Formats: sequence, C-alpha cells, structure tokens
Amino acid sequence: IAGITQAPTSQILAAGRRMTLRCTQDMRHNAMYWYRQDLGLGLRLIHYSNTAGTTGKGEVPDGYSVSRANTDDFPLTLASAVPSQTSVYFCASSDSSRGADYNEQFFGPGTRLTVL
Amino acid sequence: GQNIDQPTEMTATEGAIVQINCTYQTSGFNGLFWYQQHAGEAPTFLSYNVLDGLEEKGRFSSFLSRSKGYSYLLLKELQMKDSASYLCAVADSNYQLIWGAGTKLIIKP
Repeated sequence: IAGITQAPTSQILAAGRRMTLRCTQDMRHNAMYWYRQDLGLGLRLIHYSNTAGTTGKGEVPDGYSVSRANTDDFPLTLASAVPSQTSVYFCASSDSSRGADYNEQFFGPGTRLTVL
Repeated sequence: GQNIDQPTEMTATEGAIVQINCTYQTSGFNGLFWYQQHAGEAPTFLSYNVLDGLEEKGRFSSFLSRSKGYSYLLLKELQMKDSASYLCAVADSNYQLIWGAGTKLIIKP
C-alpha cells in the first residue's frame, strides 16, 4: 500500500441497507477525515479523527458513523442508506504532528456511492 | 457563517496565463490551501499560504492577502493537462478545512 486506499471503488445500494466504506492509510498520519463531494458544492466534512481512539463530527454527520480503532483504518458506516447520501466519498489523512499550522491533507481515490 | 467563494468555471488558451481568485470569510484563519482535482480523481495538493505574499512553485504561484480575505492561484504557460478543477480551502480556528466549490478550468488549444 502506498498512501491511502479506499474500498469499494463504486457501489450501488438499495435504500435502507447498511454499508461500510473502508479507508486505510500507511503513512502513519495521526489525523483522518471523511468528506462527501456533490456537484456544485465544496467538499463537506462528515467526520474526522485527530488520533486513534477519538472521533469528531464535521459539517454533515447525520446518518453516518465512524470508528478509529487504530492509526491506519477509518471506516465510515451508513446505518440505513437514503438516496440523499448518493455522492462521491473521499477519505483523507494528515500529519498534524508537524505543527498545527500545516495541515496538508492527502486524499484517497474516492468511493462513488449510489443509493436507489 | 463561513464562506469560500471562487468562480464556477474559467476558460483559457494553451500557453497563456490564468488567475483563479478565491475570497473567504471564516471563523479564524490558519492558512489557505489550493488543490487540483482532475475529473474522476482525488484532489491533490498544490500550495499553502499562511503569510501575506506570493509563493511560487514552478508554473504555479499562489498569493494571499489576509486583510482582504483574498487569494489567487496563478497558472503560467498553460498546458492541456492543466484542465481540472481548482479547489480553494481555508483552515479555520479549529484547523478544519473549509472548502470552496471549486473552479473548473477549461484549456483550449
């Protein structure tokens, strides 16, 4: 693995189904993020984790949950998918140990999710 | 509220220069980022400004004026591969990134 990987690449899901999007990084970054990207809108933060064992809510957390059991993995779960969750989901990570004034985020390739 | 504004779309000619503007209003400021995103791909880091002035990196330069809440990304000697969306993002008081909707840059031969 080099950088950040996400799985699946794309998924079509029936409304009401449960879905977990996977994200793994091998850069030993302490911070990880989940965004959704919709046409005409900027990236919107769903949840984040500043370090293993802690998580926080972003701008649009409703309907999503995350966990951070270790440094490398940060799965995003949709408990009961709805059509409005159709989007492209990006996972990102950053190394804030370099100093809080520099927070370059590295992105995974994204998961394209369609909820019908 | 927090707001990042940038033009939706711009068109430029191969070999020319283009300037993409970004204005912001955020709760706190801890730096401004520019990312490039090709269609169907992930955003990739281009530049970071935290102090006023110009940062130059090859064909790309980024400028920041904190007093005006303004930044621009300058792309010189445009190439067809520069056709992409350019995203402006500001780190707020909690060091979370607030993103603009992006500027789609179309390069014509």
